[in-house]
Amino acid sequence: GQQLNQSPQSMFIQEGEDVSMNCTSSSIFNTWLWYKQEPGEGPVLLIALYKAGELTSNGRLTAQFGITRKDSFLNISASIPSDVGIYFCAGQIGGATNKLIFGTGTLLAVQP
Amino acid sequence: GAVVSQHPSWVICKSGTSVKIECRSLDFQATTMFWYRQFPKQSLMLMATSNEGSKATYEQGVEKDKFLINHASLTLSTLTVTSAHPEDSSFYICSATRTAEQYFGPGTRLTVT
Repeated sequence: GQQLNQSPQSMFIQEGEDVSMNCTSSSIFNTWLWYKQEPGEGPVLLIALYKAGELTSNGRLTAQFGITRKDSFLNISASIPSDVGIYFCAGQIGGATNKLIFGTGTLLAVQP
Repeated sequence: GAVVSQHPSWVICKSGTSVKIECRSLDFQATTMFWYRQFPKQSLMLMATSNEGSKATYEQGVEKDKFLINHASLTLSTLTVTSAHPEDSSFYICSATRTAEQYFGPGTRLTVT
């Protein structure tokens, strides 16, 4: 199945550092979403982006919907140990279908 | 609000048997539910789209006769893995839509021995 390219694949950082990850696609999406998944759990929505160029924050998280509608990035500022998990981007075409296409994921490890 | 549950949370079954997984939207009605499969260290792959009262739409490469989906009500969809084999062992996750957003269940870990 189709997947979005997400980078980096993994990150190992110190507590307090800022983190940036991005997601690119060969297709245009009308909505970009960022999820966090912890082991043995389903993904939890962090941020949803609905307009090209949109910049949205949720606490220490900031995400942007790329102007071309083919990419998005997620920043986490001042990371803390509970930020550990796998972060997935997802693109949604919308319209008649609400199908999500998920990115390959970024594993984040935060050392106290 | 927007809570989705799955049952069971994990199941072990013998090769050749069938397993049913339930997905429920607890506090909202969902006309559409989705089923995903996630292998270890991989992303979520959409298996099928389940619409209440109609046949599911399967993604390319997903065997509809092996993965039976029933969406009998606005709050319940079931996935039955028929004649399970070890390669079907995976983490199965459902999601339910409210307006345009998808809310995910906690997943079901299936192990086929």
